[in-house]
Amino acid sequence: GQNIDQPTEMTATEGAIVQINCTYQTSGFNGLFWYQQHAGEAPTFLSYNVLDGLEEKGRFSSFLSRSKGYSYLLLKELQMKDSASYLCAVKVPPGKLIFGQGTTLQVKP
Amino acid sequence: DAMVIQNPRYQVTQFGKPVTLSCSQTLNHNVMYWYQQKSSQAPKLLFHYYDKDFNNEADTPDNFQSRRPNTSFCFLDIRSPGLGDAAMYLCATSRGPGDLDTQYFGPGTRLTVL
Repeated sequence: GQNIDQPTEMTATEGAIVQINCTYQTSGFNGLFWYQQHAGEAPTFLSYNVLDGLEEKGRFSSFLSRSKGYSYLLLKELQMKDSASYLCAVKVPPGKLIFGQGTTLQVKP
Repeated sequence: DAMVIQNPRYQVTQFGKPVTLSCSQTLNHNVMYWYQQKSSQAPKLLFHYYDKDFNNEADTPDNFQSRRPNTSFCFLDIRSPGLGDAAMYLCATSRGPGDLDTQYFGPGTRLTVL
């Protein structure tokens, strides 16, 4: 079966750093994606990891450990506009994306 | 310079009345996907087209059909919508189905069934 787990909700303060964790157990692994989704809008692509390690992209970084089935998304210098749902998705053969339920992040002043 | 366009953004239909949702893309991507996302749930893949090859997910109800008349357009037909089909329907595209091919999503169509 396919299973992707993320915390349901998180709260953080503007200007702070927050880490959103994702664990997965899937039949096959061809990469892990993070998407941001504001309420009522489509997911937008944030980052992609296929090899172990950290990928940095401005205020956003994503880490992957394939042996542990684990990833995290790190958001630095939080802004109010970062309040959104963050979806972890694993690509499995033959190219299908399996999404987690998403983590709703609330950024407070 | 919208890349994946979905129309309409909001659709209201009656129980049992067929409805069609549309998606178009200006990226010239080979693959187009349809996802269903219910409130506070993960997007769930319904089916996808790789060029003209149609790939249905095993658990997609027969009530859902799709058409891709050309590279740019893809349609989702719901033959007899039920109350449980109320959801956000997301169209996505990717250059190919490969590992490095990112999926790009349209803004979605929110379907209400009365």
